[in-house]
Amino acid sequence: DAKTTQPNSMESNEEEPVHLPCNHSTISGTDYIHWYRQLPSQGPEYVIHGLTSNVNNRMASLAIAEDRKSSTLILHRATLRDAAVYYCILRGGATNKLIFGTGTLLAVQP
Amino acid sequence: SAVISQKPSRDICQRGTSLTIQCQVDSQVTMMFWYRQQPGQSLTLIATANQGSEATYESGFVIDKFPISRPNLTFSTLTVSNMSPEDSSIYLCSVEGVVAGDRSSYNEQFFGPGTRLTVL
Repeated sequence: DAKTTQPNSMESNEEEPVHLPCNHSTISGTDYIHWYRQLPSQGPEYVIHGLTSNVNNRMASLAIAEDRKSSTLILHRATLRDAAVYYCILRGGATNKLIFGTGTLLAVQP
Repeated sequence: SAVISQKPSRDICQRGTSLTIQCQVDSQVTMMFWYRQQPGQSLTLIATANQGSEATYESGFVIDKFPISRPNLTFSTLTVSNMSPEDSSIYLCSVEGVVAGDRSSYNEQFFGPGTRLTVL
């Protein structure tokens, strides 16, 4: 499974945008980039995913580099409830497995 | 979306005993997954459980230690056998579901709330 690299932790202020980076230099052509987050004392939840083009949904935006070796999860206006561990995961087209890395612990300050 | 419940939510067990964790889904799903999350760590996939077939275990996990049942499309159990303090973790189940997106459908995993196990 291709590996992802994320900063261990990041801090943000409430109502400001947050850019969470992820490096995946060994990504293959069929790997999708998935983001999940785990709020305190809960199971992970889906945030967003993409293949090549940038993606937007109600929760976040995903910006994917042209060479696909990195991506950035964008929270447009962080709230206190966005404090969580954010996981960037590569998932091949033929597999249903999610292999979690260490993730980024996002702290949001009021 | 899929709603998943797990029982028990937490337990404290003595070493050498076994605990069976139940995972119930509110809809029929083909694939279910069991994860372990050790204190302060990320999630590690234990096995994939498909209904009607033997579970597929990841490297470092064996059936004798973590037997899994999958009797139907809405239920699975994971047993942690002959427990030691190193088995103290949160155990989570998840299912694969199809979600209707704005433009197309996609697969997403839904996770249960987890079972917090402490082994003394």
